[in-house]
Amino acid sequence: ETGVTQTPRHLVMGMTNKKSLKCEQHLGHNAMYWYKQSAKKPLELMFVYNFKEQTENNSVPSRFSPECPNSSHLFLHLHTLQPEDSALYLCASSQDLQPGREQYFGPGTRLTVT
Amino acid sequence: QQPVQSPQAVILREGEDAVINCSSSKALYSVHWYRQKHGEAPVFLMILLKGGEQKGHDKISASFNEKKQQSSLYLTASQLSYSGTYFCGTRNSGGSNYKLTFGKGTLLTVNP
Repeated sequence: ETGVTQTPRHLVMGMTNKKSLKCEQHLGHNAMYWYKQSAKKPLELMFVYNFKEQTENNSVPSRFSPECPNSSHLFLHLHTLQPEDSALYLCASSQDLQPGREQYFGPGTRLTVT
Repeated sequence: QQPVQSPQAVILREGEDAVINCSSSKALYSVHWYRQKHGEAPVFLMILLKGGEQKGHDKISASFNEKKQQSSLYLTASQLSYSGTYFCGTRNSGGSNYKLTFGKGTLLTVNP
């Protein structure tokens, strides 16, 4: 148990659906991240939040909309996705954005877009 | 720019050793190593900061050669539990150096 939980663990959605992914960390950290992990590709950073403020949007399409209401929760709102968006979406947290900090990952949400 | 990991995959028998390399074309501030088992979250192993330090715990250790922008992960006397995909993540010196850029991973399989 890493202290970072994600729900749901699996999600199948059509291209016209709207859904949300949820991440919660119980580590008292101030920075949270969304990553995308596709088959045969490295982990791709999507968004970074620090003290609820977005500090990074790594050129992510607007059909992905993050929300960070507090330092413990992070959401990823999904709408009108494409089949190529099917992937494992991982949430992570760290104490802060100091470069020597380790990131702790959640188990991920396996998303399939049909 | 993502770091390059080698080898892409390695198969060991229990008790054998392995080395996984991670190289970058950019000046690095730190290298982070993670292991991910199938269907699970990546698990943090260790961080190495610039300065050429070496770290280790149990039978897993790593080194960071700042001049070569390269890190190596050493697994000695491998156990079945070492199986998984090993990722290195790198942070560049300067700029937005809180961003971790990951390599494609090295799949390690340890057989009895």
